Amino acid sequence: NAGVTQTPKFRILKIGQSMTLQCAQDMNHNYMYWYRQDPGMGLKLIYYSVGAGITDKGEVPNGYNVSRSTTEDFPLRLELAAPSQTSVYFCATRARSSGGANEQFFGPGTRLTVL
Amino acid sequence: GQQVMQIPQYQHVQEGEDFTTYCNSSTTLSNIQWYKQRPGGHPVFLIQLVKSGEVKKQKRLTFQFGEAKKNSSLHITATQTTDVGTYFCAGPTGANSKLTFGKGITLSVRP
Repeated sequence: NAGVTQTPKFRILKIGQSMTLQCAQDMNHNYMYWYRQDPGMGLKLIYYSVGAGITDKGEVPNGYNVSRSTTEDFPLRLELAAPSQTSVYFCATRARSSGGANEQFFGPGTRLTVL
Repeated sequence: GQQVMQIPQYQHVQEGEDFTTYCNSSTTLSNIQWYKQRPGGHPVFLIQLVKSGEVKKQKRLTFQFGEAKKNSSLHITATQTTDVGTYFCAGPTGANSKLTFGKGITLSVRP
């Protein structure tokens, strides 16, 4: 099992360009999340989804969009990239709570630079 | 909204020393989770604490949940270079569908 995969690993964008960060999971988890991590700032939630067809905003959604048409995939779209979106982006998943640990499983991350 | 605080953000220890860090929440938590992120890596789940006053051990790591369920601690006995990384605590929000992460504490260990 691959777990949580993210593509690409690295990307450099010019200001105003757009791109889609891909996230896929093979664990059949209902919950999926997108975080951004800036130095010294911890993990900030951008968007999340509790199941296919359902998405909701997190703490820092401006400048991003998501969709969840399948359980497996949760792409993050950046429109009109700005230098403030330079960050490391992590996708994470979580199983529906069954009384056990509600741990999140993280992908390896995408390092994005906007110049 | 809910805040999860970890202070300080950086700590440097000599290999073999003990290390303790704390996590404080602005609200009572149903549970608290700890994650570790190695340099250049992604966060990896370590443990979840649920009960008031709960203590769990993983080899040299000891985790405790406060009696009021608003704080938690992580204690590492006799640190090793393999303990290097950033340790995050996180508490659930949004009807337990989301986590709020602290800013993390980055531990460096001098050999």
